Amino acid sequence: NAGVTQTPKFRILKIGQSMTLQCTQDMNHNYMYWYRQDPGMGLKLIYYSVGAGITDKGEVPNGYNVSRSTTEDFPLRLELAAPSQTSVYFCASSSTGTGFNEQFFGPGTRLTVL
Amino acid sequence: EDQVTQSPEALRLQEGESSSLNCSYTVSGLRGLFWYRQDPGKGPEFLFTLYSAGEEKEKERLKATLTKKESFLHITAPKPEDSATYLCACSGSARQLTFGSGTQLTVLP
Repeated sequence: NAGVTQTPKFRILKIGQSMTLQCTQDMNHNYMYWYRQDPGMGLKLIYYSVGAGITDKGEVPNGYNVSRSTTEDFPLRLELAAPSQTSVYFCASSSTGTGFNEQFFGPGTRLTVL
Repeated sequence: EDQVTQSPEALRLQEGESSSLNCSYTVSGLRGLFWYRQDPGKGPEFLFTLYSAGEEKEKERLKATLTKKESFLHITAPKPEDSATYLCACSGSARQLTFGSGTQLTVLP
């Protein structure tokens, strides 16, 4: 099993550009998450999904959008990129959303907005 | 609001020098406390889950313990390959993970 995979690994955007960060998991997990990690800070939840067709906002959703058309894929869309969105983005998945189970993380996408 | 605080921010140890990392938490209705290891340029890798005060779990040179207010990650006789950032996270009644900012551990040969 590949686990959670993310593409691209690195990306540089200009202010105002848009892009989609891809995330795929092969563990048949219903729950998927997007986090951002800034230097010296803990991971912050952007959006999460409890299954195909169902998404909800996390702690820092502004400037982002998500969709979940299949169990495997959970892309994160950045519209009108801003320097404040420079960060490392991690996708994660878990078998349940009860809070009792660990989340499995992808390798991350490092995004710079100039 | 759930809060997780880790200390110290950074720790340098000599190989074989045992120590502990601290994770203090304020969480409504703790469901689980999680420890992750993160290597530079990689995603967090799951280590342990603790569910109730008094619980302990071990893996190789690592041992995690839990009280009602904090968790410790004890590292016994560390090796250079244990160098990484160790993250603590809690889930409470909101069922979402709240992360601490991590402890960056460096083990010198």
